[in-house]
Amino acid sequence: DGGITQSPKYLFRKEGQNVTLSCEQNLNHDAMYWYRQDPGQGLRLIYYSQIVNDFQKGDIAEGYSVSREKKESFPLTVTSAQKNPTAFYLCASRIQDSSYEQYFGPGTRLTVT
Amino acid sequence: GQNIDQPTEMTATEGAIVQINCTYQTSGFNGLFWYQQHAGEAPTFLSYNVLDGLEEKGRFSSFLSRSKGYSYLLLKELQMKDSASYLCAVRPLSGNTPLVFGKGTRLSVIA
Repeated sequence: DGGITQSPKYLFRKEGQNVTLSCEQNLNHDAMYWYRQDPGQGLRLIYYSQIVNDFQKGDIAEGYSVSREKKESFPLTVTSAQKNPTAFYLCASRIQDSSYEQYFGPGTRLTVT
Repeated sequence: GQNIDQPTEMTATEGAIVQINCTYQTSGFNGLFWYQQHAGEAPTFLSYNVLDGLEEKGRFSSFLSRSKGYSYLLLKELQMKDSASYLCAVRPLSGNTPLVFGKGTRLSVIA
């Protein structure tokens, strides 16, 4: 089965700790994205990567970091510098063709207390 | 800049028809997506409009007017399972720039 996996579904951390959210895809997609979703805010882009070993900041990159060492993996680290880390995090990917459709993972709900 | 507007919430009755509007003002435009998202789940693709006009897919239809910067999603024969958020997203003109999402419209279908 091809798809995007994010784990875990729910994640709890104490304030001041860094936490890494995983995103893996076996769709052979070139581009991968991280979004944050808060109630009433829609999807806000954190980081994206169009090719291995390259990534760009999105609209709300402060307090986050990413890596893209392998095509199928795009982990997101939420650092202690992120002031309001509690949110629903969605990973997406797409193949670089004319369809432009993004496929989303199931999401990780992060709660920081 | 990018600005995408959708109504925050809508309520409709089971079996009825509802139209969810999306207006956009973007620095470039190369197409518009609609996604459906149930609470706590991933968004799923509904439609993609590039050219002006109406595209129908079962109970769902999507319309685009590029000159007016306007799109709508039409849901017919509403079912309770259609209660979800509906996200409008614009594909910018330049190459591989990511989609720009609106804040979504939360639709509640009532009996």
